[in-house]
Amino acid sequence: GAGVSQTPSNKVTEKGKYVELRCDPISGHTALYWYRQSLGQGPEFLIYFQGTGAADDSGLPNDRFFAVRPEGSVSTLKIQRTERGDSAVYLCASSPRGQETQYFGPGTRLLVL
Amino acid sequence: DAKTTQPPSMDCAEGRAANLPCNHSTISGNEYVYWYRQIHSQGPQYIIHGLKNNETNEMASLIITEDRKSSTLILPHATLRDTAVYYCIVRVFNTGNQFYFGTGTSLTVIP
Repeated sequence: GAGVSQTPSNKVTEKGKYVELRCDPISGHTALYWYRQSLGQGPEFLIYFQGTGAADDSGLPNDRFFAVRPEGSVSTLKIQRTERGDSAVYLCASSPRGQETQYFGPGTRLLVL
Repeated sequence: DAKTTQPPSMDCAEGRAANLPCNHSTISGNEYVYWYRQIHSQGPQYIIHGLKNNETNEMASLIITEDRKSSTLILPHATLRDTAVYYCIVRVFNTGNQFYFGTGTSLTVIP
């Protein structure tokens, strides 16, 4: 079946601009996670959704970052007033209810010039 | 969640067993050991997890010491496609929350 998909695969933007990154989880998966991965580092947690609500957003670095999942399926990560330090691969993962395994998408590579 | 320590890099000859160590000396009794790997330019992929018994699946084996302070992931017959960064993670089962990935071990399988 289809895995987690993320769009766009690559995004280049200018400092100060607004960007949206989309995640389509595996159908039926109730949990959705966003991570950020900088070069040479492991993924770092940003936010976790259980259904439509953000159960844990403790990883969001500041209030420029926001994520939604209005219907409990697709999620959008929104970054306002982008900074060069936001450049990274943004990974999305989903998992079914009651299971531990997180299934990751290929990521969106964001470059802020 | 407990911290883990892994060597930054390892090499393994193709066809041989790859043994990837992980230290987790501060692991709690209710924390599981998970292994993920990340092939270049892809998202992380689940490999295996366990609590205290050794585990085996179609991808790998997980050996956890009796005191649970360390573990070893074994890829029995490494192939070139196993070249990846391998992450050892410890966390409480089914907390529905994040994984702390660390920096992992970069495994290179050599022809």
